[in-house]
Amino acid sequence: EPEVTQTPSHQVTQMGQEVILRCVPISNHLYFYWYRQILGQKVEFLVSFYNNEISEKSEIFDDQFSVERPDGSNFTLKIRSTKLEDSAMYFCASSMTGSTDTQYFGPGTRLTVL
Amino acid sequence: AQRVTQPEKLLSVFKGAPVELKCNYSYSGSPELFWYVQYSRQRLQLLLRHISRESIKGFTADLNKGETSFHLKKPFAQEEDSAMYYCALSPLEAAGNKLTFGGGTRVLVKP
Repeated sequence: EPEVTQTPSHQVTQMGQEVILRCVPISNHLYFYWYRQILGQKVEFLVSFYNNEISEKSEIFDDQFSVERPDGSNFTLKIRSTKLEDSAMYFCASSMTGSTDTQYFGPGTRLTVL
Repeated sequence: AQRVTQPEKLLSVFKGAPVELKCNYSYSGSPELFWYVQYSRQRLQLLLRHISRESIKGFTADLNKGETSFHLKKPFAQEEDSAMYYCALSPLEAAGNKLTFGGGTRVLVKP
């Protein structure tokens, strides 16, 4: 069964550094998402992406964040200048269509900012 | 704005006992409700959703619009049901499909 994959599984970085988290969505899916979960807190929506543009973003998704689909398979989340409070588990998800279609999640990337 | 609340952080039950996980939501429009489950060292995966009205692994959930609830129930818990359970909401009217999650309930089924 096809799955969403994410790399790396764990990323450690220094405050102020740029990080890129990578995701490979399920191949015939058209909608892509990033969520994050700070330790002990809720899973929070960051951004949704369709047809090579952002369709919705949360208040968390400020100018430090960007997303890109650089080729036909990868979907990336970039954090330009990481802060301590960016430490979290970041989940990528994809769905075939929008509008309440089931989202399939990747295993997550644990980001630790020192 | 939408909000999902799961009042219990931890539910501990014995094998064979019934289990009910509470989920309450607030949303002014029409919601679609989901239950996602995360087993140990595995990814978040869909357990069931309101619109399909299925029973998955013996679990059912009923949407009560009057009480704005979507509680998850299973009459006889099994040890393999031990996991983290998340209730989530997506607005039916919106094309973006943003999921809003509750805080999660950890279920521990004791032998």
